[in-house]
Amino acid sequence: SQQGEEDPQALSIQEGENATMNCSYKTSINNLQWYRQNSGRGLVHLILIRSNEREKHSGRLRVTLDTSKKSSSLLITASRAADTASYFCATDATSNTGNQFYFGTGTSLTVIP
Amino acid sequence: DGGITQSPKYLFRKEGQNVTLSCEQNLNHDAMYWYRQDPGQGLRLIYYSQIVNDFQKGDIAEGYSVSREKKESFPLTVTSAQKNPTAFYLCASSLRSSPRYNEQFFGPGTRLTVL
Repeated sequence: SQQGEEDPQALSIQEGENATMNCSYKTSINNLQWYRQNSGRGLVHLILIRSNEREKHSGRLRVTLDTSKKSSSLLITASRAADTASYFCATDATSNTGNQFYFGTGTSLTVIP
Repeated sequence: DGGITQSPKYLFRKEGQNVTLSCEQNLNHDAMYWYRQDPGQGLRLIYYSQIVNDFQKGDIAEGYSVSREKKESFPLTVTSAQKNPTAFYLCASSLRSSPRYNEQFFGPGTRLTVL
């Protein structure tokens, strides 16, 4: 399966600290995306990094991609209690029938005020 | 007010019954997707559609069926053949299914419980 895996599965930090989550995947990708999910809700897109990019920033988010290691990391700087959520990476790969998304198992982040 | 909607938010069904989950989008997106999420798990793709009147099976299509008669609508039917249907179902859409345009927009989800 192409499904990515995030680690750690759960992360608990104090407000103001940085949070780092990692994602590993198995096959070649077109791009990798990070999503956030609040409990019982749909997912919200955070950032997309293309396979030819190595690093991307968006506000307090920093994403890196290492295609040689088939891994990505999401860094949230100066975390806030409102950042508490689950974070998923999703890889886009081309199959015989088109493009499919594969989501990882997620990292549950808790930011303690 | 553009977006993607799912209804109902909570759904209960008796074992052996078919049930249809609604997904509508007014974003003018070509591609639509159905995912299943189990507690503490990631999302698994059930079906996806890149264009009207066409759809493909995802990784866990058995026991499910879909239709795509209109661009805006992609209903999912959970049939009695699905052995373990209790889960959180998420619908998503993207402008295209190509890599350049496939940021996905998600609906709020439907929580299905089989009694």
